[in-house]
Amino acid sequence: GAVVSQHPSWVICKSGTSVKIECRSLDFQATTMFWYRQFPKQSLMLMATSNEGSKATYEQGVEKDKFLINHASLTLSTLTVTSAHPEDSSFYICSNSRGTGGPDTQYFGPGTRLTVL
Amino acid sequence: GQQLNQSPQSMFIQEGEDVSMNCTSSSIFNTWLWYKQEPGEGPVLLIALYKAGELTSNGRLTAQFGITRKDSFLNISASIPSDVGIYFCAGLRLGGSNYKLTFGKGTLLTVNP
Repeated sequence: GAVVSQHPSWVICKSGTSVKIECRSLDFQATTMFWYRQFPKQSLMLMATSNEGSKATYEQGVEKDKFLINHASLTLSTLTVTSAHPEDSSFYICSNSRGTGGPDTQYFGPGTRLTVL
Repeated sequence: GQQLNQSPQSMFIQEGEDVSMNCTSSSIFNTWLWYKQEPGEGPVLLIALYKAGELTSNGRLTAQFGITRKDSFLNISASIPSDVGIYFCAGLRLGGSNYKLTFGKGTLLTVNP
């Protein structure tokens, strides 16, 4: 399968700070990237979908000003959690797709564990 | 939003036993997918099902796409300790200009040697 990397793999920060998470597609050009959030013992919930060169589309209930997504190239997307609070502590996972995320399937990164103190 | 009902939530079995888990939805999906997630990792695709009624195998894993397109099951035969993990079903449908995955809540599988 395709290789997707995330950096950092884990991060601990103080409340009020901003954290940037990178998602890289290492062996193919990802037209579409997806960001998911997973709370402990919960399922993955789609936060937003980003297409290279255009604004991200956020799911209902996800604050676009708090979770800034930049998909500046076909191999890199970033998620910035602004003014993080303890309730933002979660496992953030990206996935990449060559197309629109369709039946050619999405390839998931290893995730980033965010802990906000 | 859309939710998938996945059951059971957890299973504790002995090595060598067969396992079955399933997902149901009130809505139709174009594609059903089954993933496995291990602690601190992202999900890894196990099986993808593209047509209603389709039965697909991947080694000891077998999955079927329900004929109504609203359900799917995953079977694992002759379980081994490395089968331990959380198994998620996911439904794929077109939402706007992109496809979107909706995940079930997962089945935590524990295999006792």
